[in-house]
Amino acid sequence: QLQLQESGPGLLRPSETLSLTCSVSGDSMGDSDYHWGWIRQPPGKGLEWIGIMHYSGSAYYNPSLKSRVTISVDTSKRQFFLDLSSVTATDTAIYYCARYGTSSGCFDPWGQGAFVSVSS
Amino acid sequence: DIQMTQSPSSVSASVGDRVTITCRASQTIGSFLAWYQQKPGEAPKLFVYSASNLQGGVPSRFSGSGYGTDFTLTISSLQPEDFATYYCQQAMSFPLAFGQGTKVEI
Repeated sequence: QLQLQESGPGLLRPSETLSLTCSVSGDSMGDSDYHWGWIRQPPGKGLEWIGIMHYSGSAYYNPSLKSRVTISVDTSKRQFFLDLSSVTATDTAIYYCARYGTSSGCFDPWGQGAFVSVSS
Repeated sequence: DIQMTQSPSSVSASVGDRVTITCRASQTIGSFLAWYQQKPGEAPKLFVYSASNLQGGVPSRFSGSGYGTDFTLTISSLQPEDFATYYCQQAMSFPLAFGQGTKVEI
């Protein structure tokens, strides 16, 4: 059974770069039918799509974040990564990693989430 | 970009009630729609894909329908474990987008 687990710093200062890792277990990351993605949820609010990346390198990002976001994949380590630069308090959120089905267009499964707070 | 609008934003219901949640897309998305359930403190879980297909393990009291711009998620007989927030997500084109969520509460 595929499982995903986020990890990374929980507290950042404004202007720093948020870096999160999603570790994948239970299945290969090399299946061409899937992308690997990130979604975030500010406290008490709804879900915001950040972006997805295929192991081949093709990526899609939310235009509202595109200038600050990089997603990368390392299939040999069974990990994928999120970098979000120049963070502000509005980037405070729970960050989820998830597998994205290219055919279905859905996210399943999800990691448990990692809360990241941006505060001076 | 495609915008997703859910209604209502919250609904109060009792065990055994029939509950219907609506999701509307700002432009046609065919059947490229998913529904997720999220309970407090937990990650969202995929419940319905391609507008009407239940994910494995989802109880049959849940059903999804719709095509084009208007979609519904129906719970035929609400159970205690169904109290949660439900989100729709369009999968037609990038950028992907979620609805703002519908909280089903007692």
